[in-house]
Amino acid sequence: SQKIEQNSEALNIQEGKTATLTCNYTNYSPAYLQWYRQDPGRGPVFLLLIRENEKEKRKERLKVTFDTTLKQSLFHITASQPADSATYLCALTHGSSNTGKLIFGQGTTLQVKP
Amino acid sequence: DADVTQTPRNRITKTGKRIMLECSQTKGHDRMYWYRQDPGLGLRLIYYSFDVKDINKGEISDGYSVSRQAQAKFSLSLESAIPNQTALYFCATSGGKGRPHNEQFFGPGTRLTVL
Repeated sequence: SQKIEQNSEALNIQEGKTATLTCNYTNYSPAYLQWYRQDPGRGPVFLLLIRENEKEKRKERLKVTFDTTLKQSLFHITASQPADSATYLCALTHGSSNTGKLIFGQGTTLQVKP
Repeated sequence: DADVTQTPRNRITKTGKRIMLECSQTKGHDRMYWYRQDPGLGLRLIYYSFDVKDINKGEISDGYSVSRQAQAKFSLSLESAIPNQTALYFCATSGGKGRPHNEQFFGPGTRLTVL
């Protein structure tokens, strides 16, 4: 069956360090992978999109990698700040689909301590 | 002003009642989606719509129905609410014409409790 997995355990890091979150998937062939940020009680907010033919994408302190061989995406936040504390969701679109439907992982909560 | 709005923001109801959740958007997007979010399960797609005449079931449509009254409005109904429909509900939109993999824009959510 198709599955997306993110580490369900919260990630706790010290301010200034790099946070790395993992998204693994099985039985998908996603053409695109997206990352969202969600704060408690609020809707997810889009951060980055990476295509299957892109290895890496950067936006300010954020970096996403996409390895279709390993079926894995890594999401990095460099020089992390307490304001980066939130839940981060990865989402896939299936390569054969033109619907724009997203399949979401359950999210990983990041806590950055000052 | 918010681009995607949802009403109500919170609702407590009883088993068997009919409930409607409403979503409006000012982004001019064609595609609209309804999700529910449960702790540990992430977001799951209930229904989605490409335009006013195109409604599609998502992953977990049983017990729900939708109506796309206009390009900007997409409502979710629970005909007879049951306790396991207690969840956080999100509406989302995306600009889909020729670009189906665009980012989605989410509303603030409706917290529904069914007693």
